[in-house]
Amino acid sequence: ETGVTQSPTHLIKTRGQQVTLRCSSQSGHNTVSWYQQALGQGPQFIFQYYREEENGRGNFPPRFSGLQFPNYSSELNVNALELDDSALYLCASSRFTGEQFFGPGTRLTVL
Amino acid sequence: GENVEQHPSTLSVQEGDSAVIKCTYSDSASNYFPWYKQELGKRPQLIIDIRSNVGEKKDQRIAVTLNKTAKHFSLHITETQPEDSAVYFCAADSNYQLIWGAGTKLIIKP
Repeated sequence: ETGVTQSPTHLIKTRGQQVTLRCSSQSGHNTVSWYQQALGQGPQFIFQYYREEENGRGNFPPRFSGLQFPNYSSELNVNALELDDSALYLCASSRFTGEQFFGPGTRLTVL
Repeated sequence: GENVEQHPSTLSVQEGDSAVIKCTYSDSASNYFPWYKQELGKRPQLIIDIRSNVGEKKDQRIAVTLNKTAKHFSLHITETQPEDSAVYFCAADSNYQLIWGAGTKLIIKP
């Protein structure tokens, strides 16, 4: 059974740019949730994808968007990057209502 | 929407003593309450969880208690060891989301 993986591990962008983060879910899981974790804070829920459909969204603007693919891997896209978008981005895969398993995260720095 | 408050923000205990972290939540429909441990630079790891049909759950040195009437739940770690040093997060489910507390930094003093 393979674990949750994310790419890239680190990323540096400038304000106004766009970024795509990727997440491969654990075998047997059909749900991916994305979180933003600022330094010293708890993860904030961005959105969740279940069977390729968005299944819930936190308090994030529309410039945060996502996709889930037929193999249940997922992408998080952020447009028009702002300095406050600098954070650790975590994805977690699960069966629909089961335990969430986290990937190692992508550290995004916006300059 | 759901709000989860966690206390204390920092907890320092002597090795071998017990540690207790408390959380309160606001959404009475929440029925799943996980606890995660996050070591510096690493991903959160689930250490124990509880569902609303259960009042207490134990796993070796770790236990969680839930009071649905009062909307609070607590993590208890007994016989603390140096490897317990980390940030601990509580969370509660609400509309398929997990809403997280702000975290407790647990420091184990030798």
